[in-house]
Amino acid sequence: NAGVTQTPKFRILKIGQSMTLQCTQDMNHNYMYWYRQDPGMGLKLIYYSVGAGITDKGEVPNGYNVSRSTTEDFPLRLELAAPSQTSVYFCASRLRETRETQYFGPGTRLLVL
Amino acid sequence: AQTVTQSQPEMSVQEAETVTLSCTYDTSESDYYLFWYKQPPSRQMILVIRQEAYKQQNATENRFSVNFQKAAKSFSLKISDSQLGDAAMYFCAYRSAENSGYALNFGKGTSLLVTP
Repeated sequence: NAGVTQTPKFRILKIGQSMTLQCTQDMNHNYMYWYRQDPGMGLKLIYYSVGAGITDKGEVPNGYNVSRSTTEDFPLRLELAAPSQTSVYFCASRLRETRETQYFGPGTRLLVL
Repeated sequence: AQTVTQSQPEMSVQEAETVTLSCTYDTSESDYYLFWYKQPPSRQMILVIRQEAYKQQNATENRFSVNFQKAAKSFSLKISDSQLGDAAMYFCAYRSAENSGYALNFGKGTSLLVTP
């Protein structure tokens, strides 16, 4: 049972490049989330999904896209990387039941130059 | 939207002593959850303790306990017998029990330094 896994661990992008951050969970969780953490700040919600085929925007969705074709995977797409997207990205998941706790992946550190 | 405020950017405690980290939140909801997460230099988010708003009893997990004051919208974390391994960023987080998505709203964090 690997929990929530994220790839890559670290990436450097040039301005205007695109990339996909991968997130996979093997706990059969319904809900999945993408957060970003800027230096010295707490985590902010980018997008979330309540099940396969269903996604919704969070607090800071601009510049990102997501899809959820399976229960296990929730990739985050950056189409035109900008320096403002330099951050640490966390994926998380949880079961549908309200009392359940979120489990976080180890994070992806992204540097846009 | 609910806001979470941690007014202490940094705190320091001596090993074996007790420290309290503060958190206040703003909400109009009656049913919600509150959490404290620890983030060591590895950046992994580790759940320390959680509190359900409908429970009057304060949550406790070994050396960690909370003081939950619902009317005051206050949720502080007390760490007893502090250890060097407790040094980390600590984030307070709020989660609605009523809205779809049930995502976490985080404070800006408190950096805890533990001195020998």
